[in-house]
Amino acid sequence: QVQLQESGPGLVKPSETLSLTCTVSGASISSYSWSWIRQPPGKGLEWIGYMYYSGSTNYNPSLKSRVTTSLDTSKNQLSLSLSPVTAADTAVYYCARDTDSGSLGYWGQGTLVTVSS
Amino acid sequence: DIQMTQSPSSLSASVGDRVTITCRASQSISSYLNWYQQKPGKAPNLLIYAASSLQSGVPSRFSGSGSGTDFTLTISSLQPEDFATYYCQQSYSTPRTFGQGTKLEI
Repeated sequence: QVQLQESGPGLVKPSETLSLTCTVSGASISSYSWSWIRQPPGKGLEWIGYMYYSGSTNYNPSLKSRVTTSLDTSKNQLSLSLSPVTAADTAVYYCARDTDSGSLGYWGQGTLVTVSS
Repeated sequence: DIQMTQSPSSLSASVGDRVTITCRASQSISSYLNWYQQKPGKAPNLLIYAASSLQSGVPSRFSGSGSGTDFTLTISSLQPEDFATYYCQQSYSTPRTFGQGTKLEI
């Protein structure tokens, strides 16, 4: 059974870097593509971007200048960095596994990141 | 970017009702349309992919249809566990975009 688990600091100061890790079990990250999505409190879903197992990436243009993603195959983990952050980046951040159709078939439970001084 | 517009934004219904939610794309997306259900405090759960394919494990009362720009999600007979927020998402092009959500309430 494929499981994803996000982890990272729950509080980040404005202008600093948000860094999250997604640990995958039940599947190798050396296959498929892997996405990050976020959801501000009480609002809808925003796609951040995806990363292929090959290392190629595709980011939302609205965030592209601030986003970096990577894969650690030795740990079967994905990572997300967003810098610099503002209060508008406060959200629940999800990692998910893409399917061939581009749908998001498996999701982590999400982690809330608050940007505040 | 492709804009996805759902209607209605909220909907009141009763157990046993047949419910339809609509999603419209700002340009043709063929059948690259997916539907998710999200309950409070939980991650979204994939219901329908490629406009009409039922994700494994999802009850058959859920169905999807449409192509091009207009799509629908239908729940044939509402169950208590179906009260949630539903999102459509296009996977035709990047950036992937979601509808604003439809909150289904009792």
